[in-house]
Amino acid sequence: ELKVEQNPLFLSMQEGKNYTIYCNYSTTSDRLYWYRQDPGKSLESLFVLLSNGAVKQEGRLMASLDTKARLSTLHITAAVHDLSATYFCAVPMNYGGSQGNLIFGKGTKLSVKP
Amino acid sequence: GAGVSQTPSNKVTEKGKYVELRCDPISGHTALYWYRQSLGQGPEFLIYFQGTGAADDSGLPNDRFFAVRPEGSVSTLKIQRTERGDSAVYLCASSLSGLRGGNTEAFFGQGTRLTVV
Repeated sequence: ELKVEQNPLFLSMQEGKNYTIYCNYSTTSDRLYWYRQDPGKSLESLFVLLSNGAVKQEGRLMASLDTKARLSTLHITAAVHDLSATYFCAVPMNYGGSQGNLIFGKGTKLSVKP
Repeated sequence: GAGVSQTPSNKVTEKGKYVELRCDPISGHTALYWYRQSLGQGPEFLIYFQGTGAADDSGLPNDRFFAVRPEGSVSTLKIQRTERGDSAVYLCASSLSGLRGGNTEAFFGQGTRLTVV
């Protein structure tokens, strides 16, 4: 059974600081997704990481994937209040088979304070 | 439409009633997914359609839950004899095909907030 674990689950940061969110998964996958969710809103796609060693950056967020370690990181640089949201990582289930539906972590609720 | 559309956006129903939630995927997307998200949790997979058929319904919690996609586009999630524990946000997503190979993106709708009282 595929399990996706994120840590920390809650993160309170000061503006201007850096931090990393970790996402571990339990079975082989060559891709991983990061989503952002604002309160009461749906999921917004942030990054799709498609191979081992993949690194993508958008503004103050940078995501990487190590498929051998089954680990992805989401690094926040010089946090600003607008980044406050819940961040989810997700891995496709049964990759290589007929499915591909996503299994999500519990999410990391990020709060950036002045 | 431009994105995944879900109706209604909010639904309040009494315990024991029957409800239907609708999802209209992005035009041309053959894959459609239903998820359930409880407060403070990540989305939990319910069912995945490829075209008209359910490719994987292993996430449906019990036989009170059922989903259809008769023409391979719009899907309806049906919940019979609703219970208070069914209260959650029900999210629908679609993608061009299953999330494998060259197909990489799944797009989510705004969700239906179901409250069972």
